[in-house]
Amino acid sequence: GEDVEQSLFLSVREGDSSVINCTYTDSSSTYLYWYKQEPGAGLQLLTYIFSNMDMKQDQRLTVLLNKKDKHLSLRIADTQTGDSAIYFCAEIKDTGRRALTFGSGTRLQVQP
Amino acid sequence: DAGITQSPRHKVTETGTPVTLRCHQTENHRYMYWYRQDPGHGLRLIHYSYGVKDTDKGEVSDGYSVSRSKTEDFLLTLESATSSQTSVYFCAISDMRYENTGELFFGEGSRLTVL
Repeated sequence: GEDVEQSLFLSVREGDSSVINCTYTDSSSTYLYWYKQEPGAGLQLLTYIFSNMDMKQDQRLTVLLNKKDKHLSLRIADTQTGDSAIYFCAEIKDTGRRALTFGSGTRLQVQP
Repeated sequence: DAGITQSPRHKVTETGTPVTLRCHQTENHRYMYWYRQDPGHGLRLIHYSYGVKDTDKGEVSDGYSVSRSKTEDFLLTLESATSSQTSVYFCAISDMRYENTGELFFGEGSRLTVL
């Protein structure tokens, strides 16, 4: 997972916006993903963005993609305590085996 | 719900013993994966399968083997467990309905502790 880099920790207050950043490695990646992991659970897909898009919005979530800098971000508006979790970005590096490469994860802590 | 069940969910074993983790799916998905999750490393691919008896190595395959004798089951075996294999293991499938987007669906994980 070291090829995809994320900061390890982010703390915000409830109601604020959260921005989680990720840099990826493969400029040919067709899709990039954000997954959420709650304590003791598996990963759940939050959203994805196709590489020919710059932005995707889905309710409180906004994904920004800067292909030139290979930078992906996830913005969560009006962050709630239920958003506390680990967030992973991921890319497809090898479309043949359809396996995702994950970052190390960013732990988001939301303080009331 | 992609119908993925992992077993056992928790296991404690001793160094040198064999361990098999099972991933069972109910929806006939072709692609199945085993990842391990460790602090600071995210998820790393161990092995994957693209059909019955068709498997290949991921980036951290040393010390692991897999088998897929039928579509619904993908087994991960540690022939002789070591403490470095203490981890949380996740099975995932690629849902053919989402083939074009490549997203994976994950099981709940199996926590393995090797003493």
